[in-house]
Amino acid sequence: DAGITQSPRHKVTETGTPVTLRCHQTENHRYMYWYRQDPGHGLRLIHYSYGVKDTDKGEVSDGYSVSRSKTEDFLLTLESATSSQTSVYFCAIMLSGTDTQYFGPGTRLTVL
Amino acid sequence: GQQLNQSPQSMFIQEGEDVSMNCTSSSIFNTWLWYKQDPGEGPVLLIALYKAGELTSNGRLTAQFGITRKDSFLNISASIPSDVGIYFCAGPQASGGSNYKLTFGKGTLLTVNP
Repeated sequence: DAGITQSPRHKVTETGTPVTLRCHQTENHRYMYWYRQDPGHGLRLIHYSYGVKDTDKGEVSDGYSVSRSKTEDFLLTLESATSSQTSVYFCAIMLSGTDTQYFGPGTRLTVL
Repeated sequence: GQQLNQSPQSMFIQEGEDVSMNCTSSSIFNTWLWYKQDPGEGPVLLIALYKAGELTSNGRLTAQFGITRKDSFLNISASIPSDVGIYFCAGPQASGGSNYKLTFGKGTLLTVNP
């Protein structure tokens, strides 16, 4: 357990509405990541952060934005949710000095 | 970009049997990671390998870092029902600076029949 929490754990929303998912960590890790997981695709990186206000895109960043104003919080925003963004979203941190990542419990998002 | 090919995609075994799965890449990796994901939960790190040829155990799990650095293997001995889940391999993408990202295999779904 790397002290990672995600909120909400489940959310149902409608197409076109904005949605923000929160990842919170308690151990001051520098690197944080947002992934989505879909059947047949495995884990795909959306965005990641390498410090406060330092973020970069992953392989599936279209339709998503992120913000990191504090070390402990990494927010993922869907500006206008679409049905194709129905997925399970995982936050992860990278343990300093290693290549290993530890994952949060996930958020199941359904866009109707 | 780098890709990891994980096989088999799924396995159905009887309790007590041994399991083997592997991960291969066309690129060299300096680290191999193995994760397990239980239904409805996030992936959990099982084993990390850092050196070619390294063999590391974690209880009934044993993983090996291939000599060519392009593959890795995970073995589970004497499987039990709680071994059910998806097993992922992963490795860091070959880039420096602030670009610390992992490449993931698509997973092996393991089902254990009691």
